[in-house]
Amino acid sequence: GAGVSQTPSNKVTEKGKYVELRCDPISGHTALYWYRQSLGQGPEFLIYFQGTGAADDSGLPNDRFFAVRPEGSVSTLKIQRTERGDSAVYLCASSLLGQVNTGELFFGEGSRLTVL
Amino acid sequence: DAKTTQPNSMESNEEEPVHLPCNHSTISGTDYIHWYRQLPSQGPEYVIHGLTSNVNNRMASLAIAEDRKSSTLILHRATLRDAAVYYCILRAYRPGTASKLTFGTGTRLQVTL
Repeated sequence: GAGVSQTPSNKVTEKGKYVELRCDPISGHTALYWYRQSLGQGPEFLIYFQGTGAADDSGLPNDRFFAVRPEGSVSTLKIQRTERGDSAVYLCASSLLGQVNTGELFFGEGSRLTVL
Repeated sequence: DAKTTQPNSMESNEEEPVHLPCNHSTISGTDYIHWYRQLPSQGPEYVIHGLTSNVNNRMASLAIAEDRKSSTLILHRATLRDAAVYYCILRAYRPGTASKLTFGTGTRLQVTL
């Protein structure tokens, strides 16, 4: 499809388990972003990539969270030893690098994570 | 990141114009003003952005104060499909590199018949 694709759309897991969330950006977009959103809040920045490298990971809350983008396209957000407080919608977005004239981030519909 | 202030919620009647305000008194010279909106159960979507001059596109207009310390998103004729949370965001421009968006809590717009 033409848009940002995120899988799974819903994930229910138990406390302490490991989770992976996948993001397929728009083809040709070199910048990729991860956000998470709790109920009633705006999206909270986690990390963004320029190509394969993490350009800014200042939003990752702790070392249980890790993200990779090995070939500069698909990205995976990995959460170890999940906690109930990790429950949220995880949003992925992509954009053309350094595009000021459009400045547009394209978001996926998110992966809803529920930790029981 | 410079901060923006928006009302928590606003209401509008369908087919009427809506003016969504945003204050950003600590804006810096390289900050662009971006607006995104988020419809229920969807990811945010881009609406419009500008630097100094007023901007128009098919979705909305953006009016920027002369001192750039405030801006207003204008929906010319609100429809029920415009009911969403609208986020006003300052985004620093750095040539040749992307930069993150920092979302606040936005303005929840309700549109009624």
